[in-house]
Parts: sequence; structure tokens; C-alpha cells
Amino acid sequence: EPEVTQTPSHQVTQMGQEVILRCVPISNHLYFYWYRQILGQKVEFLVSFYNNEISEKSEIFDDQFSVERPDGSNFTLKIRSTKLEDSAMYFCASSDSSVGELFFGEGSRLTVL
Amino acid sequence: GESVGLHLPTLSVQEGDNSIINCAYSNSASDYFIWYKQESGKGPQFIIDIRSNMDKRQGQRVTVLLNKTVKHLSLQIAATQPGDSAVYFCAETYSGGYQKVTFGIGTKLQVIP
Repeated sequence: EPEVTQTPSHQVTQMGQEVILRCVPISNHLYFYWYRQILGQKVEFLVSFYNNEISEKSEIFDDQFSVERPDGSNFTLKIRSTKLEDSAMYFCASSDSSVGELFFGEGSRLTVL
Repeated sequence: GESVGLHLPTLSVQEGDNSIINCAYSNSASDYFIWYKQESGKGPQFIIDIRSNMDKRQGQRVTVLLNKTVKHLSLQIAATQPGDSAVYFCAETYSGGYQKVTFGIGTKLQVIP
């Protein structure tokens, strides 16, 4: 069964460092998303991406965050200068339509020290 | 400020019994609702969805009920099994929202063998 894959599974970084989280969405999907979940809290929407541009973003997704689809398969989330409060599980998701089932990856755990 | 984890509501159910998980949603404009299951250390997994023009939808062992008048969703799991133990999130979004899905706080389902 096709699945969304994410790397790394866990990254530890120092505050102020740049981090790139990578995702390979399901191959025929056109809509891509990043969500995050701070430990013990709700899953929160960060950004949606379609046709090589951001469709919608939340207030969490400030200037420190950016997304990119550098080639036909990868979808990345970059955090330019990490803060302690960026520590969370980051989930990539993809879908084949703008309203329909989201398929989530297993997540990348980011720990900022 | 320091993040504090949410205390998740917990539902304990005997194996074989039916489970009912309830959720209140907040946005009157939401017209698409989804239930996700999240097992420990994994990403959310789609269970079942319902659109606002319906009040009931059935899947395999699961039923979702929607009451738009009081903005209430429920998930019914028939003949609950140990593998159903997980955190269950209701989620809402709206057509044209590019999957900006808003998740609820979750309910932890514990199945007692």
C-alpha cells in the first residue's frame, strides 16, 4: 500500500540552527501538507501546498518556516532558526484532492535544545 | 511560556463491547468531518468521514453520526478489539479550505481484554 515517508525520524538540534525535514508524498497525490503535534497536545495545521505554491497557512507558519518541492518526489519543511518551542512531532500528509482523505506519514520528531 | 500537555479524556471499554466517542466541533462553516486514529508513535490514520449533507455514515465496524444543530460528532466502534486502543481525534474542515483541518483534543480509548 502506498505511504507517505518522512526523514529523519528524530532530529536533535541546537537553538538557532536551521533544520530541514523531508517527506516523500504518495506518488500520484497533488496536495501536500505539514502538521505538527507538540507532545501531549493537538495536531495543528501548519501549511498546505498545491501546484508549487502555498495554498493556505496557519498563524504558526511564520517567516521562520518555508516549504519547497525541490523535485518531483520530495516535499520539505525548513525552519530557519529553531526555537525551543519548535520541539514537536512534524507530520507530512498528502491527498489526491483538496477535500478528501489525508494520508499522514509517521512523523519526524524535532528536539530543540 | 512552558507548554503543558493536555489531559486527554479516556474511555475504557471491555473487549467485545461497543465504544462511543463524542466530539464537539466549533466552526459552523465546517462541512466536512473526519475521525482519525493515532497509535503511539505514529501519524494520524483516517478512519471515516462524513459531509454535512449527511447525518450518519457507516464503515466496517465504525459509524459516524453528525448533529449539525448542536455541532456534535460521534464515533461508534462495534465489538471493540484490543487493536482499537489508540487516541481518536475528530477533525473538521470546510470545502475550499485546502485541507486546513482543525483537530480536536482527542480521546484515549483503552480496551480491556
